[in-house]
Amino acid sequence: NAGVTQTPKFRVLKTGQSMTLLCAQDMNHEYMYWYRQDPGMGLRLIHYSVGEGTTAKGEVPDGYNVSRLKKQNFLLGLESAAPSQTSVYFCASRTSGPYEQYFGPGTRLTVT
Amino acid sequence: AQTVTQSQPEMSVQEAETVTLSCTYDTSENNYYLFWYKQPPSRQMILVIRQEAYKQQNATENRFSVNFQKAAKSFSLKISDSQLGDTAMYFCAFMKAAGNKLTFGGGTRVLVKP
Repeated sequence: NAGVTQTPKFRVLKTGQSMTLLCAQDMNHEYMYWYRQDPGMGLRLIHYSVGEGTTAKGEVPDGYNVSRLKKQNFLLGLESAAPSQTSVYFCASRTSGPYEQYFGPGTRLTVT
Repeated sequence: AQTVTQSQPEMSVQEAETVTLSCTYDTSENNYYLFWYKQPPSRQMILVIRQEAYKQQNATENRFSVNFQKAAKSFSLKISDSQLGDTAMYFCAFMKAAGNKLTFGGGTRVLVKP
């Protein structure tokens, strides 16, 4: 049972490049989330999903897209990276009850 | 929209002593859940403790306990017998009972000194 995994762990992009971050969970959780964490700040919700095939916007969705084609995977895409998207990105998942979110180890993204 | 405020950016405590972290929140909801998460230097987010708003009894998990004051919208975390491994960022978070999303505070950095 690996829990929540994120790929890659680190990435450096040039402005304008695109990339996809992959989140995978093996706990059969319905809900999945993408957050960003900037230095000295808490986590801010980018997008989330309440089940396979669904997505919804969070607090800071601009510049990101997501897809949940399979229940266990939640992809976060940056179509044209900007320096303002330099951050640490966390994925999380949880069951349908009001229970804790289980977090992945994070991806550190730098956009130059 | 809900907001969560942690007014202490950083705190230090001697090993074996007690430290209390404050958290206040703003909501019009009556049913909700509150959480404290720990983020050590490894960056992994770890749930420390959870409180259901409908429960009057304060939650306790080993050396961690909360003081939940619903009327005051306050949710403080007490770490007793602090250990070096408690050094981390601590985040307070809120979720509506019928909601899907966590709202996080800005965090408090705790440094445990030997």
